[in-house]
Amino acid sequence: QVQLVESGGGVVQLGRSLRLSCAASGFTFSSYGMHWVRQAPGKGLDWVAVIWSDGGEKYYADSVKGRFAISRDNSKNTLFLQMNSLRAEDTAVYYCARRLIGTNCFDYWGQGTLVTVSS
Amino acid sequence: QTVVTQEPSFSVSPGGTVTLTCGLSSGSVSTSYYPSWYQQTPGRPPRTLIYTTNTRASGVPDRFSGSILGNKAALTITGAQADDESDYYCVLYMGSGSWVFGGGTKLTVL
Repeated sequence: QVQLVESGGGVVQLGRSLRLSCAASGFTFSSYGMHWVRQAPGKGLDWVAVIWSDGGEKYYADSVKGRFAISRDNSKNTLFLQMNSLRAEDTAVYYCARRLIGTNCFDYWGQGTLVTVSS
Repeated sequence: QTVVTQEPSFSVSPGGTVTLTCGLSSGSVSTSYYPSWYQQTPGRPPRTLIYTTNTRASGVPDRFSGSILGNKAALTITGAQADDESDYYCVLYMGSGSWVFGGGTKLTVL
C-alpha cells in the first residue's frame, strides 16, 4: 500500500535552516509528481511546493520562493524540502502529498512532521 | 492575489443533505481548475474525497459527490452521518504550477 512518511521536523531558531524528508513506498515513486503542503497550528492547509516526477520542474508558493527548495532522489524514493531563513510564520505541520497522475490533484498524504520556529 | 473562498462553517442534521462550495474572489470555478476536496479531522492528515471535480477517491462512500454549481465547485454530502463532522478543504489548480487551498469549512452534524 502507498505510504508517505515525513521526518526532519523539530524546533529551530529564527533565521536558521531545516531539511525535511518524505520516504515513499508502495508505488513507483519516480512516476509521480510530489507536493509539500503545510498547516499552521489551528489554521487551514497551505500549498508550499511541487516537483515533477523527474525533478525537471519545480514550483513554489510566493511565501516560500527563494527560501525553500524542493528536491527528490528517485533512487532512494525520497522527497526533500530544504527550508532556509526560517520565519515564525513557517511554524506548521508539513505534509508531503502525491500528485495523482493525469490530474492536478493530490491523492495520498503523509502523516506530517511539525516544524516550530522559535525566537 | 486570487483567494479561494469556502463557507467558514456549516451545520447539517444527521441524515440530511449539505452542499459546501468553493469559489474564487474573482471569476468562476470550472473544471479547468481541477477542483478537489479533502476531509480532515483534528490531529489527522487530510483524506482525499473528490478529485477532478467529481471523481470519488478509492474507498469514499457514494454519499459524497462533487460538481460544478453555477460559478463554484461543490461538495454534496447526502445522508450525513456523525463521523462526517470534520473540516473540509477544496483546492484549485491556478495554472503555471500553482495551487491554492480554500480556507476550509467546519462541518457540524447535529
